Amino acid sequence: GQNIDQPTEMTATEGAIVQINCTYQTSGFNGLFWYQQHAGEAPTFLSYNVLDGLEEKGRFSSFLSRSKGYSYLLLKELQMKDSASYLCAALDSNYQLIWGAGTKLIIKP
Amino acid sequence: GAVVSQHPSWVICKSGTSVKIECRSLDFQATTMFWYRQFPKQSLMLMATSNEGSKATYEQGVEKDKFLINHASLTLSTLTVTSAHPEDSSFYICSASEGQGGRGVPYEQYFGPGTRLTVT
Repeated sequence: GQNIDQPTEMTATEGAIVQINCTYQTSGFNGLFWYQQHAGEAPTFLSYNVLDGLEEKGRFSSFLSRSKGYSYLLLKELQMKDSASYLCAALDSNYQLIWGAGTKLIIKP
Repeated sequence: GAVVSQHPSWVICKSGTSVKIECRSLDFQATTMFWYRQFPKQSLMLMATSNEGSKATYEQGVEKDKFLINHASLTLSTLTVTSAHPEDSSFYICSASEGQGGRGVPYEQYFGPGTRLTVT
């Protein structure tokens, strides 16, 4: 079966760095997405990786290892507004997004 | 660019009535639209995938006769919750994709703002 695993909840301190891990098992693979979702709102796109390596975009970076079925989202210089759920989703061979359950990130002052 | 709207933003209805939710891609043509449901503090759950002009593909456990999906054009999909009951109260979110083509990342899903349904 197809499966995405990510931690349920993480806590970090304002100004610090946090890494949210995601492992995936899918039928084929056509890339991995990270979305951010604030409570009561719809998800917004953060990043997409299809090749191995690190993609940096401002305070957020995303890493992919296809051989390990592994990705992480790295958030630097954390701000209170980064408190949200972070959703990992893999695109399978049918170009269907397989969603993880999301990681709730709590930022403390 | 890549804006998706949903209407209404929230709706309260009585048990037994039907509710229609509209999802529109405002500045692009969506080859595929998706409908999700999300209960409080839970993850997104895909309900169905629809392509313009064809029948929607429902996920296992989602009743197609209860959740009617119509994808009439490349910019509009509707979800009708028929004979709604309190357990259908949830946050319904649509998304749209341009598929491989388009301006963004291939197969990126652009999300609407969601519709909060409360059935009394």
